[in-house]
Amino acid sequence: EAGVAQSPRYKIIEKRQSVAFWCNPISGHATLYWYQQILGQGPKLLIQFQNNGVVDDSQLPKDRFSAERLKGVDSTLKIQPAKLEDSAVYLCASTLEGREGDEQFFGPGTRLTVL
Amino acid sequence: GQQLNQSPQSMFIQEGEDVSMNCTSSSIFNTWLWYKQDPGEGPVLLIALYKAGELTSNGRLTAQFGITRKDSFLNISASIPSDVGIYFCAGRAEMGGGADGLTFGKGTHLIIQP
Repeated sequence: EAGVAQSPRYKIIEKRQSVAFWCNPISGHATLYWYQQILGQGPKLLIQFQNNGVVDDSQLPKDRFSAERLKGVDSTLKIQPAKLEDSAVYLCASTLEGREGDEQFFGPGTRLTVL
Repeated sequence: GQQLNQSPQSMFIQEGEDVSMNCTSSSIFNTWLWYKQDPGEGPVLLIALYKAGELTSNGRLTAQFGITRKDSFLNISASIPSDVGIYFCAGRAEMGGGADGLTFGKGTHLIIQP
């Protein structure tokens, strides 16, 4: 079974530029999550999708971050404009239905450096 | 928001030693999870705990869900070099509306000296 795919693996941009990350969850997984992991910290949830609907985006900085999952499969996370403090690894995770015993599988992440 | 206090931050041990780490929270969680993250990779699930008091093993790993539902520990017995990495605890609370994102600790960095 193929895992969660993410691209690009690395991205370096200057502050005030825009950037987008892509995630393809495990086939058939209805629930998709984006996490931000700053160096030396644990992942922090940004947004959760159930199919193509947003379930929780309470920790997403909506003035600069946006995410979509238009067809309920793959998803894009965008930052516009980027700030220095956005430097982090952005992890995507997915679950089949999000019930007990059905835990999140994580992708390898996209490492973003903002200069 | 919810926070998890994970300790220790780092551990330097000899190969073959046992390891113990724990997480505490100021609020209740319905599920406790333990993940391991290697450099350049995403976290990988080690153990999941669903009931207060539950003790679960996975090979040399043993984890427990605290009775108060506010803490959990992970033990690794007879450590080997491939145990090196960062271990994270994570909790899931009943949020309603299907929201079930995880809250993570800051991690325990395990370093093993041969």
